[in-house]
Amino acid sequence: DAKTTQPPSMDCAEGRAANLPCNHSTISGNEYVYWYRQIHSQGPQYIIHGLKNNETNEMASLIITEDRKSSTLILPHATLRDTAVYYCIVRFNYGGSQGNLIFGKGTKLSVKP
Amino acid sequence: NAGVTQTPKFQVLKTGQSMTLQCAQDMNHEYMSWYRQDPGMGLRLIHYSVGAGITDQGEVPNGYNVSRSTTEDFPLRLLSAAPSQTSVYFCASREDGGNQPQHFGDGTRLSIL
Repeated sequence: DAKTTQPPSMDCAEGRAANLPCNHSTISGNEYVYWYRQIHSQGPQYIIHGLKNNETNEMASLIITEDRKSSTLILPHATLRDTAVYYCIVRFNYGGSQGNLIFGKGTKLSVKP
Repeated sequence: NAGVTQTPKFQVLKTGQSMTLQCAQDMNHEYMSWYRQDPGMGLRLIHYSVGAGITDQGEVPNGYNVSRSTTEDFPLRLLSAAPSQTSVYFCASREDGGNQPQHFGDGTRLSIL
């Protein structure tokens, strides 16, 4: 699996957009970009994933650069409950071991009042 | 729909004791996996299974055994607990193949004295 690089921590003001960057310069053509978050040692929660097109759901938007070497997760209106560690993971869309998720240390997002 | 259920939520063991961490899912997912998370770290893959009767090792398998006799259950066994196995353990499941996201349980917090 391709390695990802994320800043260790970020701050965001409540109500503002949180933009979390991720570099994955060695991503291959069949690897998807996934975002999960973990709130205070709970089980990780799936947020969004994409291959090459930008994606949006009720939680967030995912912007992937045209060369697919980096992406940004956008939380449009951050709340205090969005304070969490956010993990960016790239993964093949195959089954078996090629579909394993490999977690890094993620970005700790602190949303402040 | 319960999703992924882990039991127990907390456990304290003495060095050398054995125990089984239970994981059950009701989504008919073929793929299941076990992770451990140590303080300040991301999740590390212990074992995974792509279907009943099939298991394989992840990144940190030593000291742990798994079996998969049914689609629903994927227990993790500690044969002889050691203090280094003090951690939070997460079970996850997803449909195998394709680009489906993983669903995580709430974790088991295990302390080995």
